[in-house]
Amino acid sequence: DAGVIQSPRHEVTEMGQEVTLRCKPISGHNSLFWYRQTMMRGLELLIYFNNNVPIDDSGMPEDRFSAKMPNASFSTLKIQPSEPRDSAVYFCASSSEPYEQYFGPGTRLTVT
Amino acid sequence: EDQVTQSPEALRLQEGESSSLNCSYTVSGLRGLFWYRQDPGKGPEFLFTLYSAGEEKEKERLKATLTKKESFLHITAPKPEDSATYLCAVQEIKAAGNKLTFGGGTRVLVKP
Repeated sequence: DAGVIQSPRHEVTEMGQEVTLRCKPISGHNSLFWYRQTMMRGLELLIYFNNNVPIDDSGMPEDRFSAKMPNASFSTLKIQPSEPRDSAVYFCASSSEPYEQYFGPGTRLTVT
Repeated sequence: EDQVTQSPEALRLQEGESSSLNCSYTVSGLRGLFWYRQDPGKGPEFLFTLYSAGEEKEKERLKATLTKKESFLHITAPKPEDSATYLCAVQEIKAAGNKLTFGGGTRVLVKP
């Protein structure tokens, strides 16, 4: 299996622009998670889906962030408009509930 | 609210110098405790899951143990390739699905 696939790996954008991060989970996994990692706050859960349905979005920082999972093999995390404080590494992870989560390589986002 | 605290924040070891990392947690009911390894620029990599006090798991030079309040990750005779950040995470019984709460991590540097 190719593992969790994320794109792009790096994204540099200007403040105010829309950013879309993409994730393909491991085939057969029914849960998908979006995390954000910074030096100050560590690894934070933003939102997670089970069977393509959002279950817990309490970690989404504000209305500028949105996530979708239109089918079992694809999810997006969108930031609109982006701000410099959104700069971080964003990880997608998937699992076959209730077992361990497998992480993708991450997207390093820089907002200038 | 779940609390997961890892100590120390950073650990410098000589090759062959065994040591232990601590993960203390506060949850109303533990479903599972997970250990991950994270190398720079990569996503966390799953190591172990522990479910009940007294349980132990081993993998090469790593051994994880669990009590009712904390978990230890023992590194025996470490090698430079064991240098990484080690993360622990807890899954609470009452949490929906397999949501994890992560600690801040311990950065381990093993010098030859």
